Amino acid sequence: AQSVTQPDIHITVSEGASLELRCNYSYGATPYLFWYVQSPGQGLQLLLKYFSGDTLVQGIKGFEAEFKRSQSSFNLRKPSVHWSDAAEYFCAVGELTGGGNKLTFGTGTQLKVEL
Amino acid sequence: EAGVAQSPRYKIIEKRQSVAFWCNPISGHATLYWYQQILGQGPKLLIQFQNNGVVDDSQLPKDRFSAERLKGVDSTLKIQPAKLEDSAVYLCASSLDAPLYNEQFFGPGTRLTVL
Repeated sequence: AQSVTQPDIHITVSEGASLELRCNYSYGATPYLFWYVQSPGQGLQLLLKYFSGDTLVQGIKGFEAEFKRSQSSFNLRKPSVHWSDAAEYFCAVGELTGGGNKLTFGTGTQLKVEL
Repeated sequence: EAGVAQSPRYKIIEKRQSVAFWCNPISGHATLYWYQQILGQGPKLLIQFQNNGVVDDSQLPKDRFSAERLKGVDSTLKIQPAKLEDSAVYLCASSLDAPLYNEQFFGPGTRLTVL
């Protein structure tokens, strides 16, 4: 069964500093990978996704992620964090099921930004 | 464009009571999902509808949970009777169609507290 591990429960960074959130997946075939962000009281918003092709994926809000098959990783990065980036971030792996699809989420990483 | 609407936003009930949640997806979206997000965990798919048919309900506790999407538009999720462990945020999402490359758009969720 597919699974996702986000080893960092909490991360604190200073505004303007760079950010990397880690994600490791377990999936037998070529994975479909996603990063979502969830702000308090709001639903999840898709930041970026990887299906195939270029392993460096650009997303919204200045985020990017790199797919590394050899390490089973899909880490999220941002060169300069803004205070408004404080939120919870979820990595997910997608699987096509009979007639549908299924996302399996990690447990999330809570990002705190210090001013 | 209006997003995914959910109501109520908050609900507090006692164990063994019943509760229902409502979701109105984005207009024209054929696929609708219900997720359960327990505090400290990532969302877990409960059920997926394609129009008014169920394509995946393998993780729905069918002894107490039920869901319907009678006209292929809005949907209700019911819990009867509720248990303490059902305390969670229930998220509804929709997408144009089932394939993974169609983004899932999430509603704000319903926070359920079972006392």
